[in-house]
Amino acid sequence: LAKTTQPISMDSYEGQEVNITCSHNNIATNDYITWYQQFPSQGPRFIIQGYKTKVTNEVASLFIPADRKSSTLSLPRVSLSDTAVYYCLVGDGRLAGANNLFFGTGTRLTVIP
Amino acid sequence: KAGVTQTPRYLIKTRGQQVTLSCSPISGHRSVSWYQQTPGQGLQFLFEYFSETQRNKGNFPGRFSGRQFSNSRSEMNVSTLELGDSALYLCASSLEGGRVQETQYFGPGTRLLVL
Repeated sequence: LAKTTQPISMDSYEGQEVNITCSHNNIATNDYITWYQQFPSQGPRFIIQGYKTKVTNEVASLFIPADRKSSTLSLPRVSLSDTAVYYCLVGDGRLAGANNLFFGTGTRLTVIP
Repeated sequence: KAGVTQTPRYLIKTRGQQVTLSCSPISGHRSVSWYQQTPGQGLQFLFEYFSETQRNKGNFPGRFSGRQFSNSRSEMNVSTLELGDSALYLCASSLEGGRVQETQYFGPGTRLLVL
């Protein structure tokens, strides 16, 4: 299983763009990169997933360089409600079953007014 | 469509007791996974059920068990509770195989406190 490394915490002012980078040096060919968001006392919520290059949805963008050894979650113009823990996961797309969904320590993002 | 529901939301038990937690997945979802979340260990995978069968298991002792019913609802049981079992227990469901490409939908969790 590919191990992920993220910053423990980040602070940002409201309205700024936030980029959270995740390192996954031993990512395998069939691995997908997924980001989840978790608010206090709630279950994680899926944000975005990608395999290579760039993926964008209504919430965020995910940038994955050609070597795929890292990925960057980009949150445009954050608001106070984006204060949460963000988890980067790497899992084998061939495997059925959630045993490959291992959450690391996550990045605690605090948005400051 | 209703989301994943978990009952009870909060629970207080004493050491040595056992506890059963319940999870109702999103309608139509057949895969149910359980996770334990603690401040020290973070989010850890317990086990996953699909079509009433345990398909995957994490690294937890045999005191932690679960089952899935024909309507995909799932229960997890912890016997002989220890103080370290105090945690937020999360259930997640997904549509079919639980592959990483499928979105996992998490419930609000059951917060268990063992005294």
